[in-house]
Amino acid sequence: AQTVTQSQPEMSVQEAETVTLSCTYDTSESNYYLFWYKQPPSRQMILVIRQEAYKQQNATENRFSVNFQKAAKSFSLKISDSQLGDTAMYFCAFMKPGGQNFVFGPGTRLSVLP
Amino acid sequence: GAVVSQHPSWVICKSGTSVKIECRSLDFQATTMFWYRQFPKQSLMLMATSNEGSKATYEQGVEKDKFLINHASLTLSTLTVTSAHPEDSSFYICSARKTGSRRLGEQYFGPGTRLTVT
Repeated sequence: AQTVTQSQPEMSVQEAETVTLSCTYDTSESNYYLFWYKQPPSRQMILVIRQEAYKQQNATENRFSVNFQKAAKSFSLKISDSQLGDTAMYFCAFMKPGGQNFVFGPGTRLSVLP
Repeated sequence: GAVVSQHPSWVICKSGTSVKIECRSLDFQATTMFWYRQFPKQSLMLMATSNEGSKATYEQGVEKDKFLINHASLTLSTLTVTSAHPEDSSFYICSARKTGSRRLGEQYFGPGTRLTVT
């Protein structure tokens, strides 16, 4: 079974600064997909970024980028130029090929301070 | 596009009663929908996978007779919590996968339903 671990329950960052959220996972699969989801106070889940394991290039979406280390089974999220609207719970998630459902990590609560 | 709604957004019910939660894909068809449960300050846990026109697939430890799922159309799945008890109080979130989508992980989440059982 796949497991996803996020070792930082809470983090804070000053507005405009950069922050990195950690995620590690455990799987015996060679190909899979990884995601970061954001859940703001509204509780609506929002996709931040996705990464396909067979792609070596790290995914980027504007201010969001990942550091995908397949051998280490690590998938960290870097948020640059943090904004107050980035305040949210961030969940790392795993999906195996052919699978349809996510396995979510426990989440990291990020607070962006003015 | 790709909006998923849930109704109600918040419901309070008395212990022993049943409550139905609806999940609708508003502008796309969803052969498959998923139901998650989220306890306060915790992650999302998959409860069941709902497939249109067939029986839902429940995760281990989820009582299928207590959490009834019906996916009668390509745009609607319902979760009925039967004989609710205070321990069923939680935040329930659905997600919907676009029919025919080849993009892995292309799911859209509803805004969630907060259930409080008194």
